[in-house]
Amino acid sequence: QKEVEQDPGPLSVPEGAIVSLNCTYSNSAFQYFMWYRQYSRKGPELLMYTYSSGNKEDGRFTAQVDKSSKYISLFIRDSQPSDSATYLCAWSKSGGSYIPTFGRGTSLIVHP
Amino acid sequence: GAGVSQSPSNKVTEKGKDVELRCDPISGHTALYWYRQRLGQGLEFLIYFQGNSAPDKSGLPSDRFSAERTGESVSTLTIQRTQQEDSAVYLCASSLLSDLETQYFGPGTRLLVL
Repeated sequence: QKEVEQDPGPLSVPEGAIVSLNCTYSNSAFQYFMWYRQYSRKGPELLMYTYSSGNKEDGRFTAQVDKSSKYISLFIRDSQPSDSATYLCAWSKSGGSYIPTFGRGTSLIVHP
Repeated sequence: GAGVSQSPSNKVTEKGKDVELRCDPISGHTALYWYRQRLGQGLEFLIYFQGNSAPDKSGLPSDRFSAERTGESVSTLTIQRTQQEDSAVYLCASSLLSDLETQYFGPGTRLLVL
């Protein structure tokens, strides 16, 4: 079993839709959770991170963590064509060098 | 300020040749990471530098891969005797020691081994 499972998509939605992106993980040692956005031919960009279970909101983005189920989600409200990118979930153990384990990414296409 | 830069942006080489990839981290960032991203795959960790030393090299896939960092700045990743399976995007990231959770990535070097 891979440490991080993420559906690669592509996920295609109309502009204005609410998008739900999901990942599952298997390693209970993971305590620090991240979402990265990667545009085509660019490096990943950190969107959000959290240590705790529950929701964390930042503008149109909400990260949700359920440690008991080992499941994290990223919700995008009022999606825009500029949100079209690959979204990578990642985990790491807290402390030390914070080397993340990445999912393979979900490709999101928001069409006008 | 300037972000993480990498060069070359693209590299095409023949199987068996050596290649050097360069990373210029954000000024003042003591931590530096190298990752590999194969087509359709997530990022694979290769090596972590803290200053000029590499406390974690656990991700280097074989002894053909090596990396060094000088002056707590520029880092080079060297792949000797390249193989076709080395074709990938090689990404570099840097961060402050006080904020290792936040890594800033460069645009990557796209390596194609023919």
